[in-house]
Amino acid sequence: ILNVEQSPQSLHVQEGDSTNFTCSFPSSNFYALHWYRWETAKSPEALFVMTLNGDEKKKGRISATLNTKEGYSYLYIKGSQPEDSATYLCAFSTGNQFYFGTGTSLTVIP
Amino acid sequence: DARVTQTPRDKVTEMGQEVTMRCQPILGHNTVFWYRQTMMQGLELLAYFRNRAPLDDSGMPKDRFSAEMPDATLATLKIQPSEPRDSAVYFCASGWDRGDYGYTFGSGTRLTVV
Repeated sequence: ILNVEQSPQSLHVQEGDSTNFTCSFPSSNFYALHWYRWETAKSPEALFVMTLNGDEKKKGRISATLNTKEGYSYLYIKGSQPEDSATYLCAFSTGNQFYFGTGTSLTVIP
Repeated sequence: DARVTQTPRDKVTEMGQEVTMRCQPILGHNTVFWYRQTMMQGLELLAYFRNRAPLDDSGMPKDRFSAEMPDATLATLKIQPSEPRDSAVYFCASGWDRGDYGYTFGSGTRLTVV
């Protein structure tokens, strides 16, 4: 079982604040790094899949970066809104193994 | 929108009974996962199939759990006998090969063992 760590475990921010969180993963046998958004009582939904060192992906106010050499990825949310409240999961893939971190729970306070 | 369909949505069973959960992956997807949502470990990987062959089931308690893909349109997860500690939400997810476009999750089966 691979070790995928996310920090912080939880985060409370005010509406309008920008925020970011970290996913750390093994730097060997890397194939891809996924980010998922998981709202309460729903299922995880894919945000990004990143495969190349230095990759940056963006969807609206959410963006992510990837450093495969040092084994980390950052997820950024610009101008947080209450609807951004969710758990954000990263998952590390070797191609034949796929493991999620325990997530960062984000609460955006109106 | 294409969906991953899981049945049943909710299941309450007595300790010792067999439980079978089913998953219909999105048509054409050849990779299927089973995860269990726990408070302590978040999404715990139970089984991982590609082209119906198991790739990784190291996280699955083998004494009571079994996962199969009898065909490309059906994945099953069985627990026999069930125990109260198996109570959790079980998710199935599917995708293409190594997930270059991400994986799609089903709505989950909430299992309660009393």
